[in-house]
Amino acid sequence: EVQLVESGGGLVQPGGSLRLSCAASGFTFSSYEMNWVRQAPGKGLEWVSYISSSGSTIYYADSVKGRFTISRDNAKNSLYLQMNSLRAEDTAVYYCARGKAMVGAFDIWGQGTMVTVSS
Amino acid sequence: SYELTQPLSVSVALGQTARITCGGNNIGSKNVHWYQQKPGQAPVLVIYRDSNRPSGIPERFSGSNSGNTATLTISRAQAGDEADYYCQVWDSSTAVFGGGTKLTVL
Repeated sequence: EVQLVESGGGLVQPGGSLRLSCAASGFTFSSYEMNWVRQAPGKGLEWVSYISSSGSTIYYADSVKGRFTISRDNAKNSLYLQMNSLRAEDTAVYYCARGKAMVGAFDIWGQGTMVTVSS
Repeated sequence: SYELTQPLSVSVALGQTARITCGGNNIGSKNVHWYQQKPGQAPVLVIYRDSNRPSGIPERFSGSNSGNTATLTISRAQAGDEADYYCQVWDSSTAVFGGGTKLTVL
Protein backbone atom coordinates (compact mmCIF):
# COMPACT_ATOMS: atom_id res chain seq x y z
CA GLU A 1 0.00 0.00 0.00
CA VAL A 2 1.29 3.43 -0.95
CA GLN A 3 1.60 5.42 2.25
CA LEU A 4 3.07 8.57 3.75
CA VAL A 5 3.29 8.95 7.52
CA GLU A 6 4.30 12.24 9.11
CA SER A 7 5.72 12.65 12.59
CA GLY A 8 7.50 15.21 14.73
CA GLY A 9 4.73 17.72 15.33
CA GLY A 10 4.00 19.22 18.73
CA LEU A 11 3.89 22.35 20.84
CA VAL A 12 6.81 24.76 20.52
CA GLN A 13 7.42 28.28 21.76
CA PRO A 14 7.75 31.22 19.37
CA GLY A 15 11.30 31.38 18.08
CA GLY A 16 11.79 27.68 18.62
CA SER A 17 12.59 24.86 16.22
CA LEU A 18 11.00 21.60 15.18
CA ARG A 19 11.89 18.89 12.68
CA LEU A 20 9.14 17.06 10.85
CA SER A 21 9.62 13.68 9.21
CA CYS A 22 7.64 11.84 6.57
CA ALA A 23 8.14 8.12 6.09
CA ALA A 24 7.24 6.75 2.67
CA SER A 25 6.33 3.18 1.81
CA GLY A 26 4.77 1.19 -1.00
CA PHE A 27 6.47 3.04 -3.86
CA THR A 28 9.94 3.91 -5.15
CA PHE A 29 10.49 7.03 -3.06
CA SER A 30 13.66 8.06 -4.90
CA SER A 31 11.71 8.46 -8.16
CA TYR A 32 9.24 11.06 -6.90
CA GLU A 33 9.19 14.74 -6.16
CA MET A 34 7.90 15.58 -2.71
CA ASN A 35 6.23 18.56 -1.04
CA TRP A 36 5.11 19.92 2.28
CA VAL A 37 1.68 21.55 2.46
CA ARG A 38 0.14 23.05 5.59
CA GLN A 39 -3.31 24.00 6.78
CA ALA A 40 -3.91 26.42 9.63
CA PRO A 41 -6.91 25.61 11.84
CA GLY A 42 -10.11 26.35 9.95
CA LYS A 43 -8.19 27.68 6.95
CA GLY A 44 -7.30 26.54 3.45
CA LEU A 45 -4.31 24.70 2.07
CA GLU A 46 -0.96 26.47 1.78
CA TRP A 47 1.99 24.99 -0.08
CA VAL A 48 5.22 25.21 1.90
CA SER A 49 8.09 23.57 0.01
CA TYR A 50 9.12 21.29 -2.86
CA ILE A 51 12.08 19.00 -3.38
CA SER A 52 12.98 17.12 -6.54
CA SER A 53 13.51 13.37 -6.58
CA SER A 54 17.28 13.72 -6.29
CA GLY A 55 17.14 16.64 -3.88
CA SER A 56 18.98 18.91 -6.28
CA THR A 57 16.09 21.34 -6.79
CA ILE A 58 14.26 22.98 -3.90
CA TYR A 59 11.58 25.67 -3.72
CA TYR A 60 9.99 27.47 -0.78
CA ALA A 61 6.97 29.64 -0.20
CA ASP A 62 7.93 33.22 0.59
CA SER A 63 6.31 32.85 4.01
CA VAL A 64 8.90 30.27 5.12
CA LYS A 65 11.94 31.13 3.02
CA GLY A 66 15.04 31.49 5.18
CA ARG A 67 13.43 29.75 8.16
CA PHE A 68 12.46 26.30 6.88
CA THR A 69 14.67 23.71 5.18
CA ILE A 70 13.37 20.74 3.22
CA SER A 71 15.53 17.66 2.72
CA ARG A 72 15.24 13.98 1.92
CA ASP A 73 17.12 10.73 2.47
CA ASN A 74 16.30 8.38 -0.39
CA ALA A 75 18.14 5.53 1.30
CA LYS A 76 15.75 5.85 4.25
CA ASN A 77 12.64 6.65 2.17
CA SER A 78 12.19 9.77 4.24
CA LEU A 79 11.35 13.44 3.76
CA TYR A 80 12.12 16.13 6.32
CA LEU A 81 11.21 19.70 7.15
CA GLN A 82 13.47 21.59 9.55
CA MET A 83 11.53 24.54 10.92
CA ASN A 84 13.41 27.33 12.71
CA SER A 85 12.38 30.71 14.10
CA LEU A 86 8.82 29.50 14.40
CA ARG A 87 5.99 32.01 14.63
CA ALA A 88 2.41 31.78 15.80
CA GLU A 89 1.28 31.94 12.17
CA ASP A 90 3.16 28.70 11.46
CA THR A 91 0.58 26.86 13.58
CA ALA A 92 -1.00 24.31 11.25
CA VAL A 93 -1.38 20.70 10.26
CA TYR A 94 1.60 19.85 8.08
CA TYR A 95 1.11 17.31 5.31
CA CYS A 96 3.72 15.67 3.16
CA ALA A 97 2.48 15.07 -0.36
CA ARG A 98 3.89 13.15 -3.28
CA GLY A 99 4.19 14.88 -6.62
CA LYS A 100 2.51 13.03 -9.44
CA ALA A 101 5.19 12.39 -12.02
CA MET A 102 5.45 15.07 -14.73
CA VAL A 103 2.11 16.54 -13.75
CA GLY A 104 2.55 18.88 -10.80
CA ALA A 105 -0.35 17.49 -8.81
CA PHE A 106 -0.11 16.05 -5.32
CA ASP A 107 -1.41 12.53 -5.69
CA ILE A 108 -0.64 10.95 -2.32
CA TRP A 109 -0.96 12.72 1.03
CA GLY A 110 -0.03 11.75 4.55
CA GLN A 111 -2.46 12.09 7.45
CA GLY A 112 -0.71 15.21 8.70
CA THR A 113 1.07 16.25 11.88
CA MET A 114 -0.02 19.19 14.02
CA VAL A 115 2.42 21.96 14.85
CA THR A 116 1.38 24.50 17.47
CA VAL A 117 3.51 27.57 18.09
CA SER A 118 2.50 29.18 21.34
CA SER A 119 3.96 30.42 24.60
CA SER B 1 2.08 36.59 -7.03
CA TYR B 2 -0.48 34.46 -8.80
CA GLU B 3 -3.91 34.20 -7.21
CA LEU B 4 -6.73 31.69 -7.58
CA THR B 5 -10.28 32.71 -6.71
CA GLN B 6 -12.95 30.23 -5.67
CA PRO B 7 -16.48 30.83 -4.35
CA LEU B 8 -16.69 30.27 -0.61
CA SER B 9 -19.64 27.95 -0.95
CA VAL B 10 -21.72 26.09 -3.50
CA SER B 11 -24.96 24.25 -2.85
CA VAL B 12 -26.44 21.47 -4.97
CA ALA B 13 -29.55 19.35 -4.67
CA LEU B 14 -29.06 15.63 -4.27
CA GLY B 15 -28.68 14.03 -7.68
CA GLN B 16 -28.10 17.32 -9.50
CA THR B 17 -24.93 18.80 -11.00
CA ALA B 18 -22.54 21.00 -9.03
CA ARG B 19 -20.04 23.31 -10.65
CA ILE B 20 -17.16 24.83 -8.71
CA THR B 21 -15.12 27.52 -10.42
CA CYS B 22 -11.51 28.56 -10.01
CA GLY B 23 -10.53 31.92 -11.46
CA GLY B 24 -7.04 33.08 -12.34
CA ASN B 25 -5.30 35.28 -14.88
CA ASN B 26 -5.04 33.20 -18.07
CA ILE B 27 -5.50 30.03 -16.04
CA GLY B 28 -6.30 28.24 -19.27
CA SER B 29 -2.58 28.21 -20.03
CA LYS B 30 -1.82 26.29 -16.83
CA ASN B 31 -2.44 22.77 -15.61
CA VAL B 32 -5.16 22.84 -12.95
CA HIS B 33 -5.57 20.19 -10.30
CA TRP B 34 -8.49 19.69 -7.91
CA TYR B 35 -8.61 18.21 -4.41
CA GLN B 36 -11.45 17.08 -2.19
CA GLN B 37 -11.06 17.37 1.57
CA LYS B 38 -13.56 16.02 4.07
CA PRO B 39 -13.51 17.15 7.72
CA GLY B 40 -10.60 15.75 9.67
CA GLN B 41 -9.09 14.06 6.62
CA ALA B 42 -6.21 14.72 4.29
CA PRO B 43 -6.97 16.09 0.82
CA VAL B 44 -7.57 13.67 -2.03
CA LEU B 45 -6.69 14.40 -5.66
CA VAL B 46 -9.86 14.15 -7.77
CA ILE B 47 -8.81 15.83 -11.05
CA TYR B 48 -5.33 16.46 -12.43
CA ARG B 49 -4.16 18.37 -15.46
CA ASP B 50 -7.54 20.06 -16.00
CA SER B 51 -9.69 17.05 -16.77
CA ASN B 52 -8.02 13.77 -15.86
CA ARG B 53 -9.33 11.49 -13.13
CA PRO B 54 -6.96 9.42 -10.95
CA SER B 55 -7.84 5.78 -10.61
CA GLY B 56 -10.64 5.24 -8.12
CA ILE B 57 -12.29 8.62 -8.70
CA PRO B 58 -15.85 8.25 -10.03
CA GLU B 59 -16.67 9.36 -13.56
CA ARG B 60 -19.12 11.80 -12.00
CA PHE B 61 -16.13 14.08 -11.40
CA SER B 62 -14.93 16.03 -14.42
CA GLY B 63 -13.00 19.19 -15.12
CA SER B 64 -12.44 21.84 -17.73
CA ASN B 65 -10.16 24.82 -18.12
CA SER B 66 -10.27 27.74 -20.53
CA GLY B 67 -9.52 31.42 -20.53
CA ASN B 68 -9.59 32.76 -16.98
CA THR B 69 -11.71 30.03 -15.41
CA ALA B 70 -11.30 26.36 -14.55
CA THR B 71 -14.33 24.37 -13.49
CA LEU B 72 -14.83 21.21 -11.48
CA THR B 73 -18.13 19.53 -12.30
CA ILE B 74 -19.73 16.91 -10.07
CA SER B 75 -22.64 15.14 -11.74
CA ARG B 76 -25.39 13.30 -9.88
CA ALA B 77 -24.20 14.75 -6.60
CA GLN B 78 -24.28 12.45 -3.60
CA ALA B 79 -24.29 13.15 0.11
CA GLY B 80 -20.76 11.77 0.25
CA ASP B 81 -19.54 14.52 -2.08
CA GLU B 82 -20.09 17.11 0.61
CA ALA B 83 -16.60 18.47 1.29
CA ASP B 84 -14.19 21.32 0.71
CA TYR B 85 -12.71 21.51 -2.78
CA TYR B 86 -9.46 23.23 -3.72
CA CYS B 87 -7.95 24.06 -7.08
CA GLN B 88 -4.18 24.25 -7.50
CA VAL B 89 -1.65 25.34 -10.12
CA TRP B 90 2.08 25.96 -10.34
CA ASP B 91 3.34 29.44 -11.12
CA SER B 92 7.00 30.52 -11.12
CA SER B 93 8.21 27.54 -9.07
CA THR B 94 5.44 28.08 -6.53
CA ALA B 95 2.41 25.92 -5.96
CA VAL B 96 -0.73 27.99 -5.50
CA PHE B 97 -4.01 26.83 -4.00
CA GLY B 98 -7.35 28.49 -4.31
CA GLY B 99 -9.07 29.50 -1.08
CA GLY B 100 -11.37 26.50 -1.19
CA THR B 101 -15.09 25.97 -1.79
CA LYS B 102 -17.42 24.27 0.63
CA LEU B 103 -19.86 22.07 -1.27
CA THR B 104 -23.17 21.43 0.44
CA VAL B 105 -25.48 18.71 -0.87
CA LEU B 106 -29.09 19.52 -0.02
